[in-house]
Amino acid sequence: DAGVTQSPTHLIKTRGQHVTLRCSPISGHKSVSWYQQVLGQGPQFIFQYYEKEERGRGNFPDRFSARQFPNYSSELNVNALLLGDSALYLCASSLDEVGYQPQHFGDGTRLSIL
Amino acid sequence: KNEVEQSPQNLTAQEGEFITINCSYSVGISALHWLQQHPGGGIVSLFMLSSGKKKHGRLIATINIQEKHSSLHITASHPRDSAVYICAVRSGSTDKLIFGTGTRLQVFP
Repeated sequence: DAGVTQSPTHLIKTRGQHVTLRCSPISGHKSVSWYQQVLGQGPQFIFQYYEKEERGRGNFPDRFSARQFPNYSSELNVNALLLGDSALYLCASSLDEVGYQPQHFGDGTRLSIL
Repeated sequence: KNEVEQSPQNLTAQEGEFITINCSYSVGISALHWLQQHPGGGIVSLFMLSSGKKKHGRLIATINIQEKHSSLHITASHPRDSAVYICAVRSGSTDKLIFGTGTRLQVFP
């Protein structure tokens, strides 16, 4: 079975642009979470979606938004990109909403803002 | 102060050594995760614990809920164990995962 897949793997944007990152969860997983990992730090929680509804949001500005589709894949959108948005964006999926099942991580999308 | 603290931040070892990485947290949790992150970013979930001890191959994870402390042990370390090991806790009040900053392990032959 395929693991969590994220696309693209690498992306270069300039300040002010917007970006869409995509995540496909493991088949059967209904929960998708997004994390931002700045170089040298641990991941920071951005969003969790379960059954197409937002179930959690971290301390990120409204420039960050996400959605989950009927097939449980998810998109993370970031508008008006800033230099500080340069990071590895990780997606994780799990079977349940509340964290009793392990999370499975994708390899991430490395976003560079010039 | 971070809600999840790991020590040490960096660790070097010779092949075959026994390794311990520590994680302390200050919030109420429903579970604790140990993750392994390879160069390039890919993260692998090693353990999810809510009590006691788990073992998988050469890896052992323990948790003491009363002391709010967990340890990850690697026996007979190998250069392929070189990675960043991250402790993450699931907050009992918010259900969000809170990550430590990681421990960078390098094992030399």
